[in-house]
Amino acid sequence: GAGVSQSPSNKVTEKGKDVELRCDPISGHTALYWYRQRLGQGLEFLIYFQGNSAPDKSGLPSDRFSAERTGESVSTLTIQRTQQEDSAVYLCASSRVGEKLLFGSGTQLSVL
Amino acid sequence: GENVEQHPSTLSVQEGDSAVIKCTYSDSASNYFPWYKQELGKGPQLIIDIRSNVGEKKDQRIAVTLNKTAKHFSLHITETQPEDSAVYFCAAASTLTFGKGTMLLVSP
Repeated sequence: GAGVSQSPSNKVTEKGKDVELRCDPISGHTALYWYRQRLGQGLEFLIYFQGNSAPDKSGLPSDRFSAERTGESVSTLTIQRTQQEDSAVYLCASSRVGEKLLFGSGTQLSVL
Repeated sequence: GENVEQHPSTLSVQEGDSAVIKCTYSDSASNYFPWYKQELGKGPQLIIDIRSNVGEKKDQRIAVTLNKTAKHFSLHITETQPEDSAVYFCAAASTLTFGKGTMLLVSP
């Protein structure tokens, strides 16, 4: 595709359920990033992949959060036992190494 | 790690005026500084970036300046238009630490 694709665009879940958020980066982009954006707030770094390894996981807020990436392709962000404070937009971005990040439109997660 | 401060949090200007948004960073090793524009319901879009080997970069009505000694960089928008209204984010460092954003409102 032409850009970074994220799915679903919206997800409503009940507190305590697990959710999976998907990111399809631009073909050829070896770097992939996940960010969280709470309502009216800035972008909070979660995790960075270079290929399928994650040299920087420093932003993951708790052990309920995990992420995987298959090769230099799709990435999945999993949130286990969701809490209301997990409600936010989760943004994915990809880039070639050392080049600009291009963002997807995000997944709006609402935990009831 | 990197820490990025962005000011102001909101900025209201009249159409045709200039707008300036400023950011400071903490890690002197940071060498890449992009600016993103985010419209409601969309992901951030890169509008301009600068690397540490230059002090200024311009693209039509948008310019970015960088002062590495003082560790601050600024976004300048001239001849603002209503469609410039959005949230603007600065960022620094390799994994891109973002500022908290500036909501720019341009009144016709």
